[in-house]
Amino acid sequence: GAVVSQHPSWVICKSGTSVKIECRSLDFQATTMFWYRQFPKQSLMLMATSNEGSKATYEQGVEKDKFLINHASLTLSTLTVTSAHPEDSSFYICSASKPTNTEAFFGQGTRLTVV
Amino acid sequence: AQSVTQLGSHVSVSEGALVLLRCNYSSSVPPYLFWYVQYPNQGLQLLLKYTSAATLVKGINGFEAEFKKSETSFHLTKPSAHMSDAAEYFCAVSANFGNEKLTFGTGTRLTIIP
Repeated sequence: GAVVSQHPSWVICKSGTSVKIECRSLDFQATTMFWYRQFPKQSLMLMATSNEGSKATYEQGVEKDKFLINHASLTLSTLTVTSAHPEDSSFYICSASKPTNTEAFFGQGTRLTVV
Repeated sequence: AQSVTQLGSHVSVSEGALVLLRCNYSSSVPPYLFWYVQYPNQGLQLLLKYTSAATLVKGINGFEAEFKKSETSFHLTKPSAHMSDAAEYFCAVSANFGNEKLTFGTGTRLTIIP
């Protein structure tokens, strides 16, 4: 298998501050990573596709200036929630795929609570 | 466009009984189909996947699923439920290899009755 690690697992921040979430592929290179958001007792909704060395592709309705994505290397993508508000509180999950694999490997998720 | 529909947001079965979680898909191209399991406050773990090879797919923890094109279904089954199977299960579809984004169903919460 392959391992995708997210950090932190949980974070509490004050309203108005920014929070950065890291997603790392530990034992493979991932040219593409995906960021999902999951509200309580709901399904995962794709937020954006992160491509190494280029701008992320955001899904309709996702504010790209609020959810900044950087994919600076083949093993690391970051999601920064800027000027966080309580409604941004959610479970954020990333996934990464090997170039020739039919499986997406998921991180363990990050629970963000904005107070 | 692709979508999946999971019938039943909550399913309860007795320990030792058959588990059946339903998933129907819609896809304009031959689909890749997945079942994932999620335990509380954790990420997703792949149970099994259909990638146009055998229509009956066996996964981890005794789960299996059968791809039925005529019914556009990919139902998940397990002959005998264990307490440890209690979790949230998601069906997902993609149009291509893993690099393609996944579209998830709304999930089914499985409860096991002792």
